[in-house]
Amino acid sequence: DAGVIQSPRHEVTEMGQEVTLRCKPISGHDYLFWYRQTMMRGLELLIYFNNNVPIDDSGMPEDRFSAKMPNASFSTLKIQPSEPRDSAVYFCASSLIKRRANYGYTFGSGTRLTVV
Amino acid sequence: DQQVKQNSPSLSVQEGRISILNCDYTNSMFDYFLWYKKYPAEGPTFLISISSIKDKNEDGRFTVFLNKSAKHLSLHIVPSQPGDSAVYFCAASAYRGSRLTFGEGTQLTVNP
Repeated sequence: DAGVIQSPRHEVTEMGQEVTLRCKPISGHDYLFWYRQTMMRGLELLIYFNNNVPIDDSGMPEDRFSAKMPNASFSTLKIQPSEPRDSAVYFCASSLIKRRANYGYTFGSGTRLTVV
Repeated sequence: DQQVKQNSPSLSVQEGRISILNCDYTNSMFDYFLWYKKYPAEGPTFLISISSIKDKNEDGRFTVFLNKSAKHLSLHIVPSQPGDSAVYFCAASAYRGSRLTFGEGTQLTVNP
């Protein structure tokens, strides 16, 4: 199992440009989470999906952020237009949760986004 | 509203000594708590967890203590090793909840 795969690992873009982050969860996992890591707030949940359906997007900072999960093996987080304050490390995680028996979130290696 | 808080951004200890990382939470609905470890350029990895029906859980050098009345948990690492140097995140979830709420993280440095 290759784990949760995120791409790209690093992204440098100019302010105002569209940025798309990609995630492939572990096969069979039914939950997918997008987190953002910042110094001030640590790991901040942006949005999560259950069986490809968005459950809670209350953490999405503003309308510039959007996320989709068109199928069980792929998700995207898009920022349009990007701003310098969006610079952070974005993590995707997936999990299989049954009766709370396993909280084995598996994180990807993250995408380091720099908006200049 | 930071429901899970790690007040110490950093901690430095000597190899062989005990490391104690602390975490406080405010949401009374939280009943499952976890610690994750994160190395640079990698995603966080699960370390140890504890259910609210327990007050202690041990796994090798790692022990997590939970004080529900104080809404406080701590992670003890004994003995600390240089390879333990990483950022440690505390996380919590509510009954049958699927989402984890994380703290800000504590950078642990274990000096040889």
